[in-house]
Amino acid sequence: AQSVAQPEDQVNVAEGNPLTVKCTYSVSGNPYLFWYVQYPNRGLQFLLKYITGDNLVKGSYGFEAEFNKSQTSFHLKKPSALVSDSALYFCAVSFQTGANNLFFGTGTRLTVIP
Amino acid sequence: NAGVMQNPRHLVRRRGQEARLRCSPMKGHSHVYWYRQLPEEGLKFMVYLQKENIIDESGMPKERFSAEFPKEGPSILRIQQVVRGDSAAYFCASSPVDRGSFEQYFGPGTRLTVT
Repeated sequence: AQSVAQPEDQVNVAEGNPLTVKCTYSVSGNPYLFWYVQYPNRGLQFLLKYITGDNLVKGSYGFEAEFNKSQTSFHLKKPSALVSDSALYFCAVSFQTGANNLFFGTGTRLTVIP
Repeated sequence: NAGVMQNPRHLVRRRGQEARLRCSPMKGHSHVYWYRQLPEEGLKFMVYLQKENIIDESGMPKERFSAEFPKEGPSILRIQQVVRGDSAAYFCASSPVDRGSFEQYFGPGTRLTVT
């Protein structure tokens, strides 16, 4: 069965420190992996995606993510957190064949402490 | 280029009433997806439509829920005889192509409250 796991409901980090939001997946076949961010009472905004090629993907607002096939992970990272990064982050996966819909993790609430 | 539009943003219905949620995809996008987000949960896929066609409705409850995307006008998600458990945020997303590798663009959502 296809699934996406975000093992941490909440991540707290001090402003200026590096941040990591974890995501692991379980799929058959090769996945397409996405990160989205949701601010309060807003829709989801696309941050970045991994399709193929370089395992390190750079996205919006200074975020990046590393695809690790052996660990089936796609962790979101940023070298220096900003207070404005505080939001809800969702990892999602879709597939090369079959349905085009996204399967989402349960989300991780990131709080950046000034 | 306007983004994905959804209306209403907030909808309150009494149990047993009907709810109609509208979604206008981004210009040039002919693929529409509906997702439901329960409080403190991730989004769950409901239905995928192209113009005048339902492509995948595997995530939609079998009863009371229906969706359409007519040749002209917005996509509509319709919930008949709403119950309290239908209270959630409903998000629409669109994409220009029929490929899982392409990111979807999300609207601001409709927050349905059933009293």
